[in-house]
Amino acid sequence: AQSVSQHNHHVILSEAASLELGCNYSYGGTVNLFWYVQYPGQHLQLLLKYFSGDPLVKGIKGFEAEFIKSKFSFNLRKPSVQWSDTAEYFCAVEITGANNLFFGTGTRLTVIP
Amino acid sequence: NAGVTQTPKFRILKIGQSMTLQCAQDMNHNYMYWYRQDPGMGLKLIYYSVGAGITDKGEVPNGYNVSRSTTEDFPLRLELAAPSQTSVYFCASSYSMGAREQYFGPGTRLTVT
Repeated sequence: AQSVSQHNHHVILSEAASLELGCNYSYGGTVNLFWYVQYPGQHLQLLLKYFSGDPLVKGIKGFEAEFIKSKFSFNLRKPSVQWSDTAEYFCAVEITGANNLFFGTGTRLTVIP
Repeated sequence: NAGVTQTPKFRILKIGQSMTLQCAQDMNHNYMYWYRQDPGMGLKLIYYSVGAGITDKGEVPNGYNVSRSTTEDFPLRLELAAPSQTSVYFCASSYSMGAREQYFGPGTRLTVT
């Protein structure tokens, strides 16, 4: 069965610290990759996505993620976090052509002012 | 645009009761999805629909039914509620099949006691 692993369950950072959230998946074929974010009291929304091409993708609010095919990873990064980045972050993987998104368990990020 | 709306926001059911979770979208999306999120877990797909009159099972369909009589609406029916169905339910929609951004509703928190 496909699986998506997010090893960090809760990350606490001070403002201006750098962020890296890990995401690994277990499928050897072609995949589409996503990071979704859920701010407190809000809907899940797309942060960034990778379909093909440049493995370094940039999303909203200064986030970026790098697809490393050999490591089955799609880690999320931000060089300097802000208090407003406090949210839950979900990695999701889709096998190309399928109708199912497989989500990781989420990482809760708390940024301390 | 209201986007994806869900009602109710919260509900408590007794074991064996039934209910319908409502989901509507006003973006003219063909694809709609129902997910559940259990505590500490990622979202899992219950059912999805690729258009009016067409539905299919996801990862965890047991205990649920869906229908899609219009493009806009995609209700989820729980028959004979069980404690294992205590969860947060998210509805989502997208313009086309997978690999495209899914737009999520705010969720329905359901407790079965």
